Amino acid sequence: GNSVTQMEGPVTLSEEAFLTINCTYTATGYPSLFWYVQYPGEGLQLLLKATKADDKGSNKGFEATYRKETTSFHLEKGSVQVSDSAVYFCALSDQGGSYIPTFGRGTSLIVHP
Amino acid sequence: EAGVTQFPSHSVIEKGQTVTLRCDPISGHDNLYWYRRVMGKEIKFLLHFVKESKQDESGMPNNRFLAERTGGTYSTLKVQPAELEDSGVYFCASSQDRGSNNSPLHFGNGTRLTVT
Repeated sequence: GNSVTQMEGPVTLSEEAFLTINCTYTATGYPSLFWYVQYPGEGLQLLLKATKADDKGSNKGFEATYRKETTSFHLEKGSVQVSDSAVYFCALSDQGGSYIPTFGRGTSLIVHP
Repeated sequence: EAGVTQFPSHSVIEKGQTVTLRCDPISGHDNLYWYRRVMGKEIKFLLHFVKESKQDESGMPNNRFLAERTGGTYSTLKVQPAELEDSGVYFCASSQDRGSNNSPLHFGNGTRLTVT
């Protein structure tokens, strides 16, 4: 079946540091890949997505590249801000099978001034 | 446009009691999903409605959970009787079309359920 594995958190960084949150996946079909973000007290929001190999999703300075050969979709940002503190969820949706998104366990990011 | 709203935001109940969670999707969204996140673990799919019909309820943990969506508008998720392991955050999401490629899920803020 489908599954998503994320690095354990919390990830604690100083403002302007470089961020990487690792995500790898297992899927029976050819999935679309997503990153969702949950800010404190809010629901999940779609941050970015990629629908085919080598696609790069980007939004708000965050990027992730769909790597089929390594089954990965790592989230990166060059310079984090305090306002980026949130929980980040990697997810996949297998368009050829079950379209219902499968989520990882989430990685908490804490950015200090 | 109002987003997905969930009520209550928090609920603390004793083991054996009943709790009903409510979700109001975005107006016009036929697809409604329930998910649950137990502390520190994955967000697990529970079930999916298309309008008032249960399209997929493969994630429902057991028959203590009952979801309804009468009239195809808001949905309720009832837990009866509640057990300690039911504690977690219950998320509702809606989407216009089936599938998330071009129709992303819009999530509510969740209901944090604590069973003591």
